[in-house]
Amino acid sequence: KAGVTQTPRYLIKTRGQQVTLSCSPISGHRSVSWYQQTPGQGLQFLFEYFSETQRNKGNFPGRFSGRQFSNSRSEMNVSTLELGDSALYLCASSLLSPLAGGLAYYEQYFGPGTRLTVT
Amino acid sequence: ELKVEQNPLFLSMQEGKNYTIYCNYSTTSDRLYWYRQDPGKSLESLFVLLSNGAVKQEGRLMASLDTKARLSTLHITAAVHDLSATYFCAVADQGGSEKLVFGKGTKLTVNP
Repeated sequence: KAGVTQTPRYLIKTRGQQVTLSCSPISGHRSVSWYQQTPGQGLQFLFEYFSETQRNKGNFPGRFSGRQFSNSRSEMNVSTLELGDSALYLCASSLLSPLAGGLAYYEQYFGPGTRLTVT
Repeated sequence: ELKVEQNPLFLSMQEGKNYTIYCNYSTTSDRLYWYRQDPGKSLESLFVLLSNGAVKQEGRLMASLDTKARLSTLHITAAVHDLSATYFCAVADQGGSEKLVFGKGTKLTVNP
């Protein structure tokens, strides 16, 4: 089974530009989450989409937006880039995994990430 | 607001020694995850611990969860160089979505 894919893997942009990152989840997974990883702030939740609806949003400015398509692929967009937006952006897709006794939990699978550098 | 604290942040140990990484969280959750990250790479899932308090083991790593104390531990037994990586705990934020709140990570270096 193919894993989570993210494109592009590396990106260099200039301050003020905008950027779109793409994430294709594992086939059958309907939930896609995005995280930003920086040395200073660590891993921070950006947003989560489930069946084309944003279910949760992290504490980021409105320059960060996302969407999910009917095939579960997701994109995130950052407008008016700032130097501080330089980061590794990780996408994760989730599937409800059943356990014995009727329990279940969500397993999250992370993609390889997109390394964004803003100059 | 859910907060996750992990310690230590840096850990240098010798091969063959044992050590424990701690992860505390501030509010009730039904799931806690441990991930491994190698430099320049993504996150690799190690364990999912549910609120029923299961202990899980894989090779030289063992993870446990005490939901009353809101504490998880990742115990390393007889460390080897290949275990050198950064380890993150992440706690599921209750509220109907898949949001995870991560600790700052523990950078583990195992020296020969």
